[in-house]
Amino acid sequence: GAVVSQHPSRVICKSGTSVKIECRSLDFQATTMFWYRQFPKQSLMLMATSNEGSKATYEQGVEKDKFLINHASLTLSTLTVTSAHPEDSSFYICSARAEQGETQYFGPGTRLLVL
Amino acid sequence: EDQVTQSPEALRLQEGESSSLNCSYTVSGLRGLFWYRQDPGKGPEFLFTLYSAGEEKEKERLKATLTKKESFLHITAPKPEDSATYLCAAALYSGAGSYQLTFGKGTKLSVIP
Repeated sequence: GAVVSQHPSRVICKSGTSVKIECRSLDFQATTMFWYRQFPKQSLMLMATSNEGSKATYEQGVEKDKFLINHASLTLSTLTVTSAHPEDSSFYICSARAEQGETQYFGPGTRLLVL
Repeated sequence: EDQVTQSPEALRLQEGESSSLNCSYTVSGLRGLFWYRQDPGKGPEFLFTLYSAGEEKEKERLKATLTKKESFLHITAPKPEDSATYLCAAALYSGAGSYQLTFGKGTKLSVIP
């Protein structure tokens, strides 16, 4: 149980384009989903927290107009990187948490490369 | 400032050589201490949650323990397939009934056959 999927697993795009990443909880309802970014040899850095049906809460320093988050249902959250630039290249990982408990279950991650 | 520090950064063990990974934390309002395993290019895989000092949990060759200031991940007789980066994270209350995880940088474990 507690499986979280992400799609796509990797994406290469040109500078200036937008990229959408999907995060799905496959076997449980996720009232809260989280988006993280991980640079090489660094730990996971929380970007934003999203609750189903409400606006996401962004961490300090994360541009909400650049990283658009939509949590439209209890099993799906999307992260759109708008007008991506090479410095946005990173490993993006989502996690999901059920209503009961604190455990976050992570997706497999999406490797984004902006040329 | 809430901090989670893991040591060592990297650890090389011979197969069968037991050891421990350390996670020290200086946080206020700790709700739980989590351990995850992360393989290269993949998302973290949940291992354990510890809630109170003195608590221990085991899974195969891994055992996690918790004190008021740190947590240890003991690995007994490791095998090459245990090679991975092990992350610890502190769950902190972030308001409105929600909790966030603050991660350490991880310990990269390599088990040599």
